Amino acid sequence: NAGVTQTPKFQVLKTGQSMTLQCAQDMNHNSMYWYRQDPGMGLRLIYYSASEGTTDKGEVPNGYNVSRLNKREFSLRLESAAPSQTSVYFCASSDVTVSGYTFGSGTRLTVV
Amino acid sequence: DQQVKQNSPSLSVQEGRISILNCDYTNSMFDYFLWYKKYPAEGPTFLISISSIKDKNEDGRFTVFLNKSAKHLSLHIVPSQPGDSAVYFCATNTGGFKTIFGAGTRLFVKA
Repeated sequence: NAGVTQTPKFQVLKTGQSMTLQCAQDMNHNSMYWYRQDPGMGLRLIYYSASEGTTDKGEVPNGYNVSRLNKREFSLRLESAAPSQTSVYFCASSDVTVSGYTFGSGTRLTVV
Repeated sequence: DQQVKQNSPSLSVQEGRISILNCDYTNSMFDYFLWYKKYPAEGPTFLISISSIKDKNEDGRFTVFLNKSAKHLSLHIVPSQPGDSAVYFCATNTGGFKTIFGAGTRLFVKA
């Protein structure tokens, strides 16, 4: 009953460092998403993968790259972290978009 | 410009009373609306949804009302319980892959 698993839960990076946020789901969902949550701004879509083998940009893709490794896994990479990327990152998955997403518990990232 | 607006950052309600959380949207083409609930240090969880062909959907203590002419929806929680204290996000989806979220309303239910 794991659902959506994100690693790590917390990370502190220095400006210019790179890192990859990992996400895996065990519900056999076709679609996966990466969102960031910032105070007063709700959740904003970074990238999504409608199905295995496809990825598309969301509302705020600059500074990020993604990989849909297989049906289960969808990773988010920051090549050169900036303080503006300090945020809480959520991965989500869904089978049918109108049935709601299942979210992971989030990764709190601080870039100093 | 926010397409989904939750104008009340917070709401405080006494246990047992009704909680009403509001949400406004800008695009009349939006045709499916969802509410998510989020506890601290957890991801949002899906709560209830409504299609634009309906004006009300009920699930236990939770009811969502949709007023298409006013581009407004609301979530009613009756009766409110301390465990309902959380951040509630309104969201909309046009059937594609881009769900748009509001900024959230933090609900405090006082015992």
